[in-house]
Amino acid sequence: DQQVKQNSPSLSVQEGRISILNCDYTNSMFDYFLWYKKYPAEGPTFLISISSIKDKNEDGRFTVFLNKSAKHLSLHIVPSQPGDSAVYFCAGAPQGGSEKLVFGKGTKLTVNP
Amino acid sequence: KAGVTQTPRYLIKTRGQQVTLSCSPISGHRSVSWYQQTPGQGLQFLFEYFSETQRNKGNFPGRFSGRQFSNSRSEMNVSTLELGDSALYLCASSSRTSGGAYEQYFGPGTRLTVT
Repeated sequence: DQQVKQNSPSLSVQEGRISILNCDYTNSMFDYFLWYKKYPAEGPTFLISISSIKDKNEDGRFTVFLNKSAKHLSLHIVPSQPGDSAVYFCAGAPQGGSEKLVFGKGTKLTVNP
Repeated sequence: KAGVTQTPRYLIKTRGQQVTLSCSPISGHRSVSWYQQTPGQGLQFLFEYFSETQRNKGNFPGRFSGRQFSNSRSEMNVSTLELGDSALYLCASSSRTSGGAYEQYFGPGTRLTVT
């Protein structure tokens, strides 16, 4: 039972364009969502998070949008840079202060120069 | 601030052996979580410790255990290793701000290979 789904295993975009990574979740008990970037042989790097009381959070080139009614969130990267090429994971955190993150299986982003 | 550190970075063990992995969280973080990453299953939550107590547990067999010390450092132990335990084991420490924001930071991981 996959509670967090990233349906696109890979995405390829041109440098300078927008990258949109999508994530769907089924567990309505999630109240916090996080995005991570991961390079091979390294731990995931925290990018940005969003609370369920918000529908948008922005940090530099990264913006996360949350649509609670659709149980959908997306990460926008503008403009995309070759250094953004990595695997991106979204994760949901249940209510109640739990640090038990549930991860999607990741989307591999390739930004072409 | 130093990040999350994990030791060792790489480990090769034989089936049936046991292994202990170590994690030092970011200074001031009291919560430490452990995850297993495999190509087929992705990142899966093992357990979380807060103030030396296991606060959350994932769906792993009892061969997987952990503990946390008073300085928040944590160890995880896997006994009677199986080939399927070969994975990247990630430790993460987290904090919540007074505003409720939540951030969880990962270490570089320990690559365990069971032969």
